[in-house]
Amino acid sequence: TAGITQAPTSQILAAGRSMTLRCTQDMRHNAMYWYRQDLGLGLRLIHYSNTAGTTGKGEVPDGYSVSRANTDDFPLTLASAVPSQTSVYFCASSDSMGEQFFGPGTRLTVL
Amino acid sequence: SQELEQSPQSLIVQEGKNLTINCTSSKTLYGLYWYKQKYGEGLIFLMMLQKGGEEKSHEKITAKLDEKKQQSSLHITASQPSHAGIYLCGADGGGSYIPTFGRGTSLIVHP
Repeated sequence: TAGITQAPTSQILAAGRSMTLRCTQDMRHNAMYWYRQDLGLGLRLIHYSNTAGTTGKGEVPDGYSVSRANTDDFPLTLASAVPSQTSVYFCASSDSMGEQFFGPGTRLTVL
Repeated sequence: SQELEQSPQSLIVQEGKNLTINCTSSKTLYGLYWYKQKYGEGLIFLMMLQKGGEEKSHEKITAKLDEKKQQSSLHITASQPSHAGIYLCGADGGGSYIPTFGRGTSLIVHP
């Protein structure tokens, strides 16, 4: 079982360009999440989805959008990247007990 | 919103020493999770605590949740270099089920 996969592993992006970070899970979890992790700030929730077809804003949603067309996929889009979006991005899903399963992360650098 | 404060922020110990990491919540915890993150990798679930006074162990790691369900401690006995990494506590949001994380405790174990 793959669990959660993220793509790409890393990316360097020019400011102003758009990009979509991909996240796919094969555990049939209803809930999925996107976090960014920055030194000294820990994990901060960007957007979440409790079930396919619904999404919600987390702590730091500005500049990001998500969609949840089906149970397995939860892509995160940066419409016009800015340097402050340089970070490591983690996707996660959770089961009914609340345990979260994390992907390996995407390291994004915006220049 | 619920806030989780971890202490210490960082810890350097000699192999074989015991250590404790604390996680304090601003509100009553409905569920408290401990994760470990190896440097440059994703988060790995360690344990979940839900009941006041609950204690769980996995190998040489023991986690406890106090009776008031506002503080948890993670104790490592006879630390090893393999224990090195960042330990994060996380909590679900109760009815909202939006998770919150502490900023993490960085652990280095010298052989």
